[in-house]
Amino acid sequence: AQTVTQSQPEMSVQEAETVTLSCTYDTSENNYYLFWYKQPPSRQMILVIRQEAYKQQNATENRFSVNFQKAAKSFSLKISDSQLGDTAMYFCAFMDSGGSNYKLTFGKGTLLTVNP
Amino acid sequence: DAGVTQSPTHLIKTRGQHVTLRCSPISGHKSVSWYQQVLGQGPQFIFQYYEKEERGRGNFPDRFSARQFPNYSSELNVNALLLGDSALYLCASSLTGMRLGGYTFGSGTRLTVV
Repeated sequence: AQTVTQSQPEMSVQEAETVTLSCTYDTSENNYYLFWYKQPPSRQMILVIRQEAYKQQNATENRFSVNFQKAAKSFSLKISDSQLGDTAMYFCAFMDSGGSNYKLTFGKGTLLTVNP
Repeated sequence: DAGVTQSPTHLIKTRGQHVTLRCSPISGHKSVSWYQQVLGQGPQFIFQYYEKEERGRGNFPDRFSARQFPNYSSELNVNALLLGDSALYLCASSLTGMRLGGYTFGSGTRLTVV
């Protein structure tokens, strides 16, 4: 079974600075998908960025980018120019690429606080 | 375009009671999944439905059941509620074959069992 580990329960960063959230996962699959979701106090899970395992290039979405290290099974999220609105829980999630089940496996999350 | 809508937003039930949670997916999305998020944890997969058929089930007891209707909306039912069932229940919808797109989540139903 796949597992996702987020080793940082909480992190804080000053506004406009850069922060990196860590995520490692365990799987025997060769192809899969990785995601970072943001959950603000409003509770809705919002997709931040996604990565296909067979793509070598790291995904980037505006201020958000990932460092995907497939051999190390590591998928960290870098947030540049942090904004107060980035304050939220961040979840790393895994989805395998086979079968008909679109199950997401989540880590326990990292609470990010952006300070003014 | 409306997102994933869930009802009710909050609910308080007594141990032993039954509860029904409802979800309407994004228009055009045929797959609905349910997740349970206990306080301080990441969401845990409960069920996935596509075209009214169950496609996946997580490690939850038979007290949990779900169904999907012809309009692709879905219900999650939980019988004989336990205190440990207190959680945020999230519904998510997706297009078939769009794994990279992940899911679009609703804002959830906060269930409190007393």
